[in-house]
Amino acid sequence: ETTLTQSPAFMSATPGDTVTISCKASQDIDDDLNWYHQKPGGAPVLLVQDATTLVPGLPPRFSASGYGTDFSLTINNIESEDAAYYFCLQHDYFPLTFGLGTNVEIK
Amino acid sequence: QVQFVQSGAEVKKPGASVKVACQASGYTFTSYPIHWLRQAPGQGFEWVGGIDPGNGKTRYSQKLQGRLTITTDTVARTAYMELRSLRSEDTAVYYCAKDLRTSFVSSFGMDVWGQGTTVTVSS
Repeated sequence: ETTLTQSPAFMSATPGDTVTISCKASQDIDDDLNWYHQKPGGAPVLLVQDATTLVPGLPPRFSASGYGTDFSLTINNIESEDAAYYFCLQHDYFPLTFGLGTNVEIK
Repeated sequence: QVQFVQSGAEVKKPGASVKVACQASGYTFTSYPIHWLRQAPGQGFEWVGGIDPGNGKTRYSQKLQGRLTITTDTVARTAYMELRSLRSEDTAVYYCAKDLRTSFVSSFGMDVWGQGTTVTVSS
């Protein structure tokens, strides 16, 4: 089973900050990693597929990078609406596995 | 647009069974695998299992294999997850979600998720 180690677990940011979330895989997963966010009471929403492909309509302040075992999601000029729980998913191997998530708070 | 509507919250006693429904709309139901995921209180997500509605092929979490059955009714465009011999650690919000890939040979991850169904196991 592939373990995803996500950091940090919690982040507090001020509007305009740049934040980066990391996700490290316990084995090579090529680019088979997606990023999601979830707002309180809501369903998860896909942000990035295959490590770097942003979904249509995602604001350009979002970017993602990585391949193999190290991946990151960056939000530039963070806005209050970006407050959410962010998590990564690897889909290279079954069972699909998830990072433990990052709670992003906007002050 | 693609949408999933899940059945309502359930409260069960330890040892009981629960069956959660997930009705799909907005796409060809038999073309994409559907996964079930769960999130226990204060914890991360866990993959429960999945099914290819086109051919009925299933994949289950090894941890839940033996207690879990995932099925579909293609006429009703509905997927079902049944979990038996419930334990307190099965308390979680259960989600269905559609795979991005049209084949169940592997996965591209999930795009659209249902709204979640809270299952509480308590004596």
